[in-house]
Amino acid sequence: GENVEQHPSTLSVQEGDSAVIKCTYSDSASNYFPWYKQELGKRPQLIIDIRSNVGEKKDQRIAVTLNKTAKHFSLHITETQPEDSAVYFCAATHNNDMRFGAGTRLTVKP
Amino acid sequence: EAGVVQSPRYKIIEKKQPVAFWCNPISGHNTLYWYLQNLGQGPELLIRYENEEAVDDSQLPKDRFSAERLKGVDSTLKIQPAELGDSAVYLCASSLGRSSDTQYFGPGTRLTVL
Repeated sequence: GENVEQHPSTLSVQEGDSAVIKCTYSDSASNYFPWYKQELGKRPQLIIDIRSNVGEKKDQRIAVTLNKTAKHFSLHITETQPEDSAVYFCAATHNNDMRFGAGTRLTVKP
Repeated sequence: EAGVVQSPRYKIIEKKQPVAFWCNPISGHNTLYWYLQNLGQGPELLIRYENEEAVDDSQLPKDRFSAERLKGVDSTLKIQPAELGDSAVYLCASSLGRSSDTQYFGPGTRLTVL
């Protein structure tokens, strides 16, 4: 089955800096890659997603890139703000079977 | 539009007791998922329903866990008997049901087994 690895497990940046989180997946049939943000005690919230027919997608300060050949995808957050502090999960999906990475705890220091 | 609803939000029980969690998905969403999330980890799939059919329950510990979605709308997940290691957050999610569709999560039920 699908195996998703996520790095780093923790990331601390200064407010205004950029943050990058990377994930790799094992199943070449995976075709949908969402990113979720989860604040403490809250539900995972979708922040951006990308499908396998697209290499890059951007939404304001958030962007995701996908390299199908290398089977890795990345989340980029620019101009980070303290409210970006949370745990971020990547996931890889094939036919509604979604497997998650272990998460990255992002801390943005004011 | 209402999101995925789960109840209860918190549950504390003693080991060997039964417990049940309820989920109501977003209206019109045919696919429903139950996940287990341990502290500091990503969600892990327990069971996936497409309408009322359980299409993937390979990760569900069937000796103590059971689930149902009788009318293809809301769903119940049960543990009987609960063990200490079952303490976790149980998340429900739903999607429209098209292949590789976006999943929307409920707030989860935090279970503590004493």
